[in-house]
Amino acid sequence: DIQMTQSPSSLSASVGDRVTITCRASQGIRSDLGWYQQKPGKAPKRLIYAASSLQSGVPSRFSGSGSGTEFTLTISSLQPEDFATYYCLQHNSYPLTFGGGTKVEIK
Amino acid sequence: EVQLVESGGGLIQPGGSLRLSCAASGFTVSSNYMSWVRQAPGKGLEWVSVIYDGGGTYYADSVKGRFTISRDNSKNTLYLQMNSLRAEDTAVYYCAKDNRGPFQWGQGTQVTVSS
Repeated sequence: DIQMTQSPSSLSASVGDRVTITCRASQGIRSDLGWYQQKPGKAPKRLIYAASSLQSGVPSRFSGSGSGTEFTLTISSLQPEDFATYYCLQHNSYPLTFGGGTKVEIK
Repeated sequence: EVQLVESGGGLIQPGGSLRLSCAASGFTVSSNYMSWVRQAPGKGLEWVSVIYDGGGTYYADSVKGRFTISRDNSKNTLYLQMNSLRAEDTAVYYCAKDNRGPFQWGQGTQVTVSS
């Protein structure tokens, strides 16, 4: 199984900050990676697919990069509605595996 | 508009069985990959199972041999039959339309396994 190591597990940031979250795959997964945002009590929402493609309707302050084993989600200017937990997911091979999550909190 | 509505969750004793349903509208379940994903209380997301448009299936090791994913094309509904339930199966279960990973999600249904 492919393991996804996500870091950091949590971070504190202020509105307007640039935030970067990283996922590392235990083996190469090409660009078969998505990023999800989840708010308490809600279903996850996909932000990025194919490592760097922005899901329709998602603000352009979100961006993804990487391929192979190293991937990054960047929020260019953190907004109040962005405080949430973020997960990466590899869909290169079954079983699909999520990263452990990154909780973004208000500083 | 795509809608996914899960049902069938509840409180069940260890060793028991439960069948979750996911009623879809706005698209055809049998023409798409469909997944189940779960989230234990206070924990992260865990992929559970997928069914392909062609009918093939995959499962997480943690549920293999106990859970079965299926669909009813006439009802445009996805199912997850869960047998031999354990306390560690306690979670919110989400169904999702899958396109390069789970993409559009239902609201989830709570399953609690406890005596």
